[in-house]
Amino acid sequence: QSVLTQPPSVSAAPGQKVTISCSGSSSNIGNNYVSWYQQLPGTAPKLLIYDNNKRPSGIPDRFSGSKSGTSATLGITGLQTGDEADYYCGAWDSSLSVYVFGTGTKVTVL
Amino acid sequence: EVQLVESGGGLVQPGGSLRLSCAASGFTFSSYWMSWVRQAPGKGLEWVANIKEDGSEKYYVDSVKGRLTISRDNAKNSLYLQMNSLRAEDTAVYYCARDCLSTCVDHWGQGTLVTVSS
Repeated sequence: QSVLTQPPSVSAAPGQKVTISCSGSSSNIGNNYVSWYQQLPGTAPKLLIYDNNKRPSGIPDRFSGSKSGTSATLGITGLQTGDEADYYCGAWDSSLSVYVFGTGTKVTVL
Repeated sequence: EVQLVESGGGLVQPGGSLRLSCAASGFTFSSYWMSWVRQAPGKGLEWVANIKEDGSEKYYVDSVKGRLTISRDNAKNSLYLQMNSLRAEDTAVYYCARDCLSTCVDHWGQGTLVTVSS
């Protein structure tokens, strides 16, 4: 059972914006960096955001991350059909000494 | 280009064993922590274990402690997962992954499917 909670699904029309929340605790998000991952259907996950709000090279600035207290948020602007995927947050949990992923959110482009 | 290629998956009976391998290339393998992450069919991601650059530290999720063992051979640029006493709930795609310099996973293999069934 994941210790990071995400909404099961979000949706919006092409060109619109969606935000995905990730709720944790002081042992994970509250005191460690948050990362976000995109998993397109049938493929391996890909790193989208690391260190709360940094983008690896090649990731467009339509993707953004933020953190406040024990919660984090992924934002996707200018939504495209190619953004339809599952998105996961992740963070190290200092109490459990494990890396924890969120429950995952399916993004649908209407 | 970073490449991670898993092998060794397959069908195994409950209580059986399997050894997964991951061949790494395109980066200095001995300079990175490495992880195994799994995904049961139709389910989310679950981090399984990771190992320090020199193999001196290892961490595991509770559900696999005492049954799964992560190891590495830096001379062969390879990561391993020895899986013993397998259970049906271990059925999943297992991904080999490179840890970021901070806490994240920045590269993933294509995954290898492990099915535990009689």
